Amino acid sequence: EAGVAQSPRYKIIEKRQSVAFWCNPISGHATLYWYQQILGQGPKLLIQFQNNGVVDDSQLPKDRFSAERLKGVDSTLKIQPAKLEDSAVYLCASSFGSGAGAGYTFGSGTRLTVV
Amino acid sequence: EDQVTQSPEALRLQEGESSSLNCSYTVSGLRGLFWYRQDPGKGPEFLFTLYSAGEEKEKERLKATLTKKESFLHITAPKPEDSATYLCAVQVKRYNFNKFYFGSGTKLNVKP
Repeated sequence: EAGVAQSPRYKIIEKRQSVAFWCNPISGHATLYWYQQILGQGPKLLIQFQNNGVVDDSQLPKDRFSAERLKGVDSTLKIQPAKLEDSAVYLCASSFGSGAGAGYTFGSGTRLTVV
Repeated sequence: EDQVTQSPEALRLQEGESSSLNCSYTVSGLRGLFWYRQDPGKGPEFLFTLYSAGEEKEKERLKATLTKKESFLHITAPKPEDSATYLCAVQVKRYNFNKFYFGSGTKLNVKP
């Protein structure tokens, strides 16, 4: 079974620039998550999709972050404009469902450095 | 407020020296507690899910246990390849969906 694919692996941008990350979940996984992991911290949920609908985006900074999941498969996360504090690893994860016990499968992440 | 706290932040062990990692939580509507292993530059890798107090799960040198307030990850006779950051997460019921909260992790370093 292919894993969760993310690209790019690394990105360096200047503050106030924009950036986009891409995620391809495991085939058949209806639920997709984007997490932000700052160095030394645990992952923090940014947004959760069920198919192509948003389930939870309560911790997404909507003034600068946006995400979409077209056709319930691939997803993109965009930051515009970026700030220094956005430097982090952005992890995408997917699961078959969102019910009890549905563990995640994570991608390897995109490491963003904002200078 | 939902909270997940892991301790210690970092742990250094000699090969073969057994120890335990702690994950304490204060949440309502717990549906499950998860343990993950994260290697540098990689995403977290699933280890265990525990659903109710008293439950135990084992995998090689790792054993996870759960009480009503905390979970322990016991590492028996660790090897250098067990070096990684171990994350715990709780899954809770919120409205019509489930939500995950992660702890900050314990960075384990096993010296040969």
